[in-house]
Amino acid sequence: SYELTQPPSVSVSPGQTASITCSGDNLGDKYACWYQQRPGQSPVLVIYQDNKRPSGIPERFSGSISGNTATLTISGTQAMDEADYYCQAWDSITAHWVFGGGTKLTVL
Amino acid sequence: EVQLVESGGGLVQPGGSLRLSCAASGFMFSNYDMNWVRQAPGKGLEWVSYISSSGITIYYADSVRGRFTISRDNAKNSLFLQMNSLRAEDTAVYYCARDPGGWLHFDYWGQGALVTVSS
Repeated sequence: SYELTQPPSVSVSPGQTASITCSGDNLGDKYACWYQQRPGQSPVLVIYQDNKRPSGIPERFSGSISGNTATLTISGTQAMDEADYYCQAWDSITAHWVFGGGTKLTVL
Repeated sequence: EVQLVESGGGLVQPGGSLRLSCAASGFMFSNYDMNWVRQAPGKGLEWVSYISSSGITIYYADSVRGRFTISRDNAKNSLFLQMNSLRAEDTAVYYCARDPGGWLHFDYWGQGALVTVSS
């Protein structure tokens, strides 16, 4: 089965840049997206089609992809960005949506 | 405003059944694919099932295939998940999520419905 791998946790100081990676076989041939989930809340889409930002999402959120690794970058990280982040991609071979295991971002 | 509201969650014994509903409003429901995603307590997101806008194309995660059935009623702007032969490992918050198509992403999520499978 297809898998997406994320680091379990990332820490960043307020105002600094946080980077969260998501790796998977042939991920560069698919579209990756990213969700933010704050404690007790539903997931919110923050990046889609590798690097597009939905309306209402702050400009400090950006996405990129290089080879088989997608990266979510948060510039000028704020305390309110502390949350779990999940990457997602569609695997056409199994006809399954796949989520990464999630990364807990701590702002300290 | 797009709204997705799940209902039907609750406590059920192992081997039992439950039917979740997702009421959609604020958009043309019949134009959108839909999905169910679940999250076990303290765990990550797990995709459960997909249904196309017409209801013709359906996919399931391996963990639920043969036990769960996704369906929709476009006339009533509603999405459903019939869950049979429930197991303890099915305990989770179940979210419905709107899929704009093209295998790209889920752009709106409901608030979730908690399903607890326990004796």
